[in-house]
Amino acid sequence: NAGVTQTPKFRVLKTGQSMTLLCAQDMNHEYMYWYRQDPGMGLRLIHYSVGEGTTAKGEVPDGYNVSRLKKQNFLLGLESAAPSQTSVYFCASVMRGRNNEQFFGPGTRLTVL
Amino acid sequence: KQEVTQIPAALSVPEGENLVLNCSFTDSAIYNLQWFRQDPGKGLTSLLLIQSSQREQTSGRLNASLDKSSGRSTLYIAASQPGDSATYLCAVRRMNRDDKIIFGKGTRLHILP
Repeated sequence: NAGVTQTPKFRVLKTGQSMTLLCAQDMNHEYMYWYRQDPGMGLRLIHYSVGEGTTAKGEVPDGYNVSRLKKQNFLLGLESAAPSQTSVYFCASVMRGRNNEQFFGPGTRLTVL
Repeated sequence: KQEVTQIPAALSVPEGENLVLNCSFTDSAIYNLQWFRQDPGKGLTSLLLIQSSQREQTSGRLNASLDKSSGRSTLYIAASQPGDSATYLCAVRRMNRDDKIIFGKGTRLHILP
């Protein structure tokens, strides 16, 4: 099993450009999450999904959109990137059930100039 | 609103010492609490998951305890080694329908050789 994978690993954007981050998991997990990690701020939840075709907002959803068309994939989109979105983005997944652990991808380091 | 706090933010101890990292949360209605390790520039590695009905979990030199009523968890590391240097994060899974997982900001641990 590859676990949770993220594409790309690094990206540099100019202000106003758009891009999509891909998260894929091969563990048949129902729940998937997108976080951003910034110095001194810890991990903050952007959006999450409890199943194929469903998404919900987290703590910091503004400026991002997500889609979960297939159970194994969770896409995070930036329609018009801003310097404030410079961050490290982590994807995670969990199997349905109360007592299952969360698995994380390796992260995507995004810089917006 | 669930808030997760980790104190101290940074800690340096000599090699060989036993140490305790603290995590507190404001709402005791949780399904579980998970401890992670994060090395610089890397993703999160799960260390221990404690279910809400459990008091502690052990893995090798690590022992995590949970006191739901007081909203506290500790991660005990025995006989610390330089390889234990990393940031340690705790996260709680809220007991409600939104399935959010809330992270603390972490404790940055440095083991002095």
